[in-house]
Amino acid sequence: GQSLEQPSEVTAVEGAIVQINCTYQTSGFYGLSWYQQHDGGAPTFLSYNALDGLEETGRFSSFLSRSDSYGYLLLQELQMKDSASYFCAVRDEVDYGQNFVFGPGTRLSVLP
Amino acid sequence: DTEVTQTPKHLVMGMTNKKSLKCEQHMGHRAMYWYKQKAKKPPELMFVYSYEKLSINESVPSRFSPECPNSSLLNLHLHALQPEDSALYLCASSQDSPGANTGELFFGEGSRLTVL
Repeated sequence: GQSLEQPSEVTAVEGAIVQINCTYQTSGFYGLSWYQQHDGGAPTFLSYNALDGLEETGRFSSFLSRSDSYGYLLLQELQMKDSASYFCAVRDEVDYGQNFVFGPGTRLSVLP
Repeated sequence: DTEVTQTPKHLVMGMTNKKSLKCEQHMGHRAMYWYKQKAKKPPELMFVYSYEKLSINESVPSRFSPECPNSSLLNLHLHALQPEDSALYLCASSQDSPGANTGELFFGEGSRLTVL
């Protein structure tokens, strides 16, 4: 089966740094993705880790430790527009296809 | 063109109606997905098509019927739905080559379905 865990809510102030953790237990694993979703919108891709280590993309960084089945998304220099839900998603490969399973999501509120 | 286009954006249907959701992409992606998302919940995988063949069906009720007419199009046919099927239906696409995979799903804006 597939099981992912994330904190349900995180609150921070503008300009701060916040880390959103994700732990997973899955039957297969090829990588961990992160998505942002604003209310009423579609998920948009932020970052992907297939190997251990840190990936940096502007203000966002993502980390993966395959041995610990753990990853996190780091958001720096928070802005009000970063208020959204953030989902980690495990990429798995199955016969003739691939599968992305989403975590429960973390709602980030950025306060002025 | 890095867009996934879904139509209609909004749909209201009765439990006896038959309707279809449509999805189109022109990025050359060979994997296409249907996800269902309820309010304040994560996207939940319904179907995956890989190279126009259904590769994953996550035990979805038969009142949902997917179709992939060609590599750019994906449909979801709806029949005899229940009010609990009201949700946002998201289409997505991705590269389906392990060596080229960036872990990125490209989502459409979704079709918001209300079943009365």
